[in-house]
Amino acid sequence: KAGVTQTPRYLIKTRGQQVTLSCSPISGHRSVSWYQQTPGQGLQFLFEYFSETQRNKGNFPGRFSGRQFSNSRSEMNVSTLELGDSALYLCASSLALQGMNTEAFFGQGTRLTVV
Amino acid sequence: KQEVTQIPAALSVPEGENLVLNCSFTDSAIYNLQWFRQDPGKGLTSLLLIQSSQREQTSGRLNASLDKSSGRSTLYIAASQPGDSATYLCAVAAHDMRFGAGTRLTVKP
Repeated sequence: KAGVTQTPRYLIKTRGQQVTLSCSPISGHRSVSWYQQTPGQGLQFLFEYFSETQRNKGNFPGRFSGRQFSNSRSEMNVSTLELGDSALYLCASSLALQGMNTEAFFGQGTRLTVV
Repeated sequence: KQEVTQIPAALSVPEGENLVLNCSFTDSAIYNLQWFRQDPGKGLTSLLLIQSSQREQTSGRLNASLDKSSGRSTLYIAASQPGDSATYLCAVAAHDMRFGAGTRLTVKP
């Protein structure tokens, strides 16, 4: 059974550019959540999608957005990149909404470096 | 607002030692608690999931306990090995998922 797949694994972007990250959940999972992880802030929740609808959102600016497709694959987009956006971006998939009685499985992450 | 705390932040032990990692949370109304392992620069690997109705779960050398009433969970690692070196995070599910900051474990050969 394939795990959660995130692409690309590494990205280097310039300030002001935009970036799109992709996450393919475990087959049959309908929830995809995104997290930002930095050494100083730890794991911070970005948003969660379930059945193509955003169900929950963290405290990030509108430059961070996402979407989910009918096959449950999800993308997140960051526009007008800032140096502070450099981080490891993780996605997690689960059968049900995270925060309910369900187990979360994480991908290997995308390491974004903004220069 | 649910807050999750992990103590200690870092721990260094010699190989072969048994050890306990702690996780505490402020709101006992949780669905489950999950322990993860994270290697540097990598994603999180799920180790154990404890449902709110359970007291403990075991997998190999790992045993996790849950005491909802006191808002505590422990992860017990028996006969530690250098390959256990990683950061261990706990997360509680209660309408959303809240993570602790993690315990960075180093097991010295």
